Amino acid sequence: NAGVTQTPKFRVLKTGQSMTLLCAQDMNHEYMYWYRQDPGMGLRLIHYSVGEGTTAKGEVPDGYNVSRLKKQNFLLGLESAAPSQTSVYFCASSRPGQAYGYTFGSGTRLTVV
Amino acid sequence: TQLLEQSPQFLSIQEGENLTVYCNSSSVFSSLQWYRQEPGEGPVLLVTVVTGGEVKKLKRLTFQFGDARKDSSLHITAAQPGDTGLYLCAGVHGGSQGNLIFGKGTKLSVKP
Repeated sequence: NAGVTQTPKFRVLKTGQSMTLLCAQDMNHEYMYWYRQDPGMGLRLIHYSVGEGTTAKGEVPDGYNVSRLKKQNFLLGLESAAPSQTSVYFCASSRPGQAYGYTFGSGTRLTVV
Repeated sequence: TQLLEQSPQFLSIQEGENLTVYCNSSSVFSSLQWYRQEPGEGPVLLVTVVTGGEVKKLKRLTFQFGDARKDSSLHITAAQPGDTGLYLCAGVHGGSQGNLIFGKGTKLSVKP
């Protein structure tokens, strides 16, 4: 009963370092998403994917890249981390169609110093 | 531009009280969802409403989608400490390529 699994759960980066956040889902969902959650800002969409091999930009894509090489995995990369990217990152997945809700992972808390 | 406005931002009540949380927009949404998020966890889906005027009940929680599909409300009867959390509304808007747009949330605290 795993659902959506995110790794790592916590990470501290120095400015300029790079890292990849991993998201895996075992529900055979077509759609996957990366959000960031900041105090007073709510959840904002970074990138999303509607299927294996396809990705698209969301509301706040700058400074991030993504890849969906396998249906079950969605990777979020930070090439050169900045303090403004300090946030909690959530991955989610869903079936196509607005009647279906999103299943979220438990998040990655990232601090960039 | 914040498409979904939630009110109140914070709510602190005693166990047994009733409460209503609101989610409003000037835009029409084709569907609305409500999530609850606990500290250190991701949001968990409570309900999806897709028809204007629709009312759904989930135990002590009642969800309503406005007739014009621009607003929604969540009513909790006889709140319990286990209801404590961040309540988020999210909608599918025509201009968002079908992706969910989230409100900023209402932080509810229910004291014993």
